Amino acid sequence: NAGVTQTPKFQVLKTGQSMTLQCAQDMNHEYMSWYRQDPGMGLRLIHYSVGAGITDQGEVPNGYNVSRSTTEDFPLRLLSAAPSQTSVYFCASSYSALAVAHEQFFGPGTRLTVL
Amino acid sequence: AQRVTQPEKLLSVFKGAPVELKCNYSYSGSPELFWYVQYSRQRLQLLLRHISRESIKGFTADLNKGETSFHLKKPFAQEEDSAMYYCALRSSNTGKLIFGQGTTLQVKP
Repeated sequence: NAGVTQTPKFQVLKTGQSMTLQCAQDMNHEYMSWYRQDPGMGLRLIHYSVGAGITDQGEVPNGYNVSRSTTEDFPLRLLSAAPSQTSVYFCASSYSALAVAHEQFFGPGTRLTVL
Repeated sequence: AQRVTQPEKLLSVFKGAPVELKCNYSYSGSPELFWYVQYSRQRLQLLLRHISRESIKGFTADLNKGETSFHLKKPFAQEEDSAMYYCALRSSNTGKLIFGQGTTLQVKP
């Protein structure tokens, strides 16, 4: 199993550009989520999904869209990039949203710079 | 509101010294708490979960509901313990996992 994969690893955007960060998992996990990691702020939840066709907002959803058309994929879209979105983005998945104490598996991260 | 607070950004100790990384939480229901660790150039990974009451790599954490805390402890720090540590709280209603700000542990030789 590849686990959780993310592409690209690095990306530089100009203000106003749009792009999609890709996330995929091959573990048949129901639950998937996106976090951003910033110095001093820790990991903040952007959006999450408890299954195909179901998504919900996390702590910092503004400026980001998600969709979950398949169990495997959970792309994160930046509609109009801003310098404040410069961050490291992590995708994670776990077996079930409601199963007790299930571990979340993380991808390697995407380092995004918005100029 | 669901919240996790890690008051220390950086904790620096010498090898062999005891370590305690603090974590406090705010949650109205019955909490599920975790510690995750991120070693340099590696992915974030689970260290331990309160429900298992386990010891991993010499680390333990006890849930104190009265003080709403889940501090991570190790009696004798090793250099390989140097990493970023995150405390996390999972909502039993939605399943979403909320992280604290993280604490960098630096173990000096």
